[in-house]
Amino acid sequence: NAGVMQNPRHLVRRRGQEARLRCSPMKGHSHVYWYRQLPEEGLKFMVYLQKENIIDESGMPKERFSAEFPKEGPSILRIQQVVRGDSAAYFCASSRSSGNTIYFGEGSWLTVV
Amino acid sequence: GIQVEQSPPDLILQEGANSTLRCNFSDSVNNLQWFHQNPWGQLINLFYIPSGTKQNGRLSATTVATERYSLLYISSSQTTDSGVYFCAVELNAGGTSYGKLTFGQGTILTVHP
Repeated sequence: NAGVMQNPRHLVRRRGQEARLRCSPMKGHSHVYWYRQLPEEGLKFMVYLQKENIIDESGMPKERFSAEFPKEGPSILRIQQVVRGDSAAYFCASSRSSGNTIYFGEGSWLTVV
Repeated sequence: GIQVEQSPPDLILQEGANSTLRCNFSDSVNNLQWFHQNPWGQLINLFYIPSGTKQNGRLSATTVATERYSLLYISSSQTTDSGVYFCAVELNAGGTSYGKLTFGQGTILTVHP
């Protein structure tokens, strides 16, 4: 859904660099989710955030990955010291509240070379 | 965790044909959504349908929650319907729902002119 804005759409990083992916939820949405899609696979949940709070990060790798959703500004998914296996499409989604329709952004494609 | 199985894995149609895609899930759910991922990778929300029947143009969906399945119907298919169709569910854990979706592996639809 065009209402969830992600950038960059495509990002190329060398092994060991940092990747930062940004997500602005739809207007009026306070719940943000990050999902990862590896090649030829479905999407896998990574983390769920509300403003300034991480609610559930059970799908996030324990090392090198972090997410935030500050009081002001977009949500950020940060991957430190990227490796080839991090190459994937990262989708952000948002919803107005729990139990409602979840809308996805157009994704950010990370390629690690 | 909850299991989501989609069938068929691949489907090839001639333009104008009708099709039915199926999603089986292993547990009670709060949320069920159908998505279309087009050849450019965009993920489009089709239906939010934890139960009941909905229609939107040539597409309709039915979820029978008590029997743990959902069906997506595509009538008079067009080449622009090509892509991957995902079913995604959120487990009903008895508490607050917050949008942690589990995706099926998808059905790859190809519509030939």
